[in-house]
Amino acid sequence: AQSVAQPEDQVNVAEGNPLTVKCTYSVSGNPYLFWYVQYPNRGLQFLLKYITGDNLVKGSYGFEAEFNKSQTSFHLKKPSALVSDSALYFCAVTLSYNTDKLIFGTGTRLQVFP
Amino acid sequence: GAGVSQTPSNKVTEKGKYVELRCDPISGHTALYWYRQSLGQGPEFLIYFQGTGAADDSGLPNDRFFAVRPEGSVSTLKIQRTERGDSAVYLCASSPSGQGGYEQYFGPGTRLTVT
Repeated sequence: AQSVAQPEDQVNVAEGNPLTVKCTYSVSGNPYLFWYVQYPNRGLQFLLKYITGDNLVKGSYGFEAEFNKSQTSFHLKKPSALVSDSALYFCAVTLSYNTDKLIFGTGTRLQVFP
Repeated sequence: GAGVSQTPSNKVTEKGKYVELRCDPISGHTALYWYRQSLGQGPEFLIYFQGTGAADDSGLPNDRFFAVRPEGSVSTLKIQRTERGDSAVYLCASSPSGQGGYEQYFGPGTRLTVT
């Protein structure tokens, strides 16, 4: 069965510092990987995805993520955090040969301090 | 352009009652998904429509849950004999296609509270 793990419930980082939000996955096949962000009282917003090709993908708001097949990871990164990045981040996976129903992790709350 | 909309935004109902939750996807999107998000959890897949048909309903928890999309656009999630455990935020998402890794566009959700 497919699964996604986000080992950190919360990540704290000072504004201007780099941030990493971790995600590992388990699938039997080639994965499609996604990051979504959820701001308070707002819907999930798409940040970026890996489908195929270059392992480093760039997305909205300066975020990027690196697909690492050997480590089955897809960590979200940003070189310089902003206070406005504070939100709940979800990693999700689906299978390339299946319908695009998403399997989500439990989420990581990112808190950026001024 | 208009995004995915969901109505109502909040619904409070008594245990045992019937509820309907509505989703208006982005125009032209053939794929529509329903997810359920409980407090402190990530969204959980319920059902996927490709056009008018339910292509995958493997996430529906039991036969009290049912969803339709009769004209391939608006979808309604129906819950019979609601239970307190059904309390959650119900999310709808749409995408241009149900395969190929398209990103899904989510609505703001309907918060269902069963008392």
